[in-house]
Amino acid sequence: EVQLVESGGGLVQPGGSLRLSCAASGFSFSTYWMTWVRQAPGKGLEWVANIKPDGSERYYVDSVKGRFSISRDNAKNSLYLQMNSLRAEDTAVYYCAGVGLPYALDIWGQGTMVTVSS
Amino acid sequence: QSALTQPPSVSGSPGQSVTISCTGTSSDVGSYNRVSWYQQPPGTAPKLMIYEVSNRPSGVPDRFSGSKSGNTASLTISGLQAEDEADYYCSSYTSSSTRYVFGTGTKVTVL
Repeated sequence: EVQLVESGGGLVQPGGSLRLSCAASGFSFSTYWMTWVRQAPGKGLEWVANIKPDGSERYYVDSVKGRFSISRDNAKNSLYLQMNSLRAEDTAVYYCAGVGLPYALDIWGQGTMVTVSS
Repeated sequence: QSALTQPPSVSGSPGQSVTISCTGTSSDVGSYNRVSWYQQPPGTAPKLMIYEVSNRPSGVPDRFSGSKSGNTASLTISGLQAEDEADYYCSSYTSSSTRYVFGTGTKVTVL
């Protein structure tokens, strides 16, 4: 079964850090572009970061540049998002997703909630 | 990079057709045939419905179709069914540093 399972979300104070993980199974993870997408409560989807299959290219939305870092370990079939200097506006459900069809996210995890609050 | 523009809501009766527009710029929708559409029922993860403007992944009903003209892409749902009630988001590849951008989202209501 093709599956993505996120973990690592939770409650963190403003200025704090969290590391999200995403475990992949059932598909050839090492050949997929991977992505983190977030959705603030009651709001729309926002593309956060992308990473090339070999990790050599990474792209970020402007609002997280310099604070978030996307990485992957193909040997462990895992994707990560290191989030530093967290702000209230980073509060959202974070989904990991895979680009299996051309320029489209065809594999999604169930999401993990990140709440930034004092 | 600004979000692509979608109408906040559309509605239709069962069996009718509805069309959702997705307006971008010459930096995204207008320059690339890399538009995709996602369906998100309440409380669930998004699901891919259309990729590369008009292609359907395996398992997506042919009631769902996509098209593009200039800077605007469209998703049409024909023969609307109760199970189609959900939020729908478009997305496009973009020349900006983000590489991808989502639309603002459209709530489809089946009357």
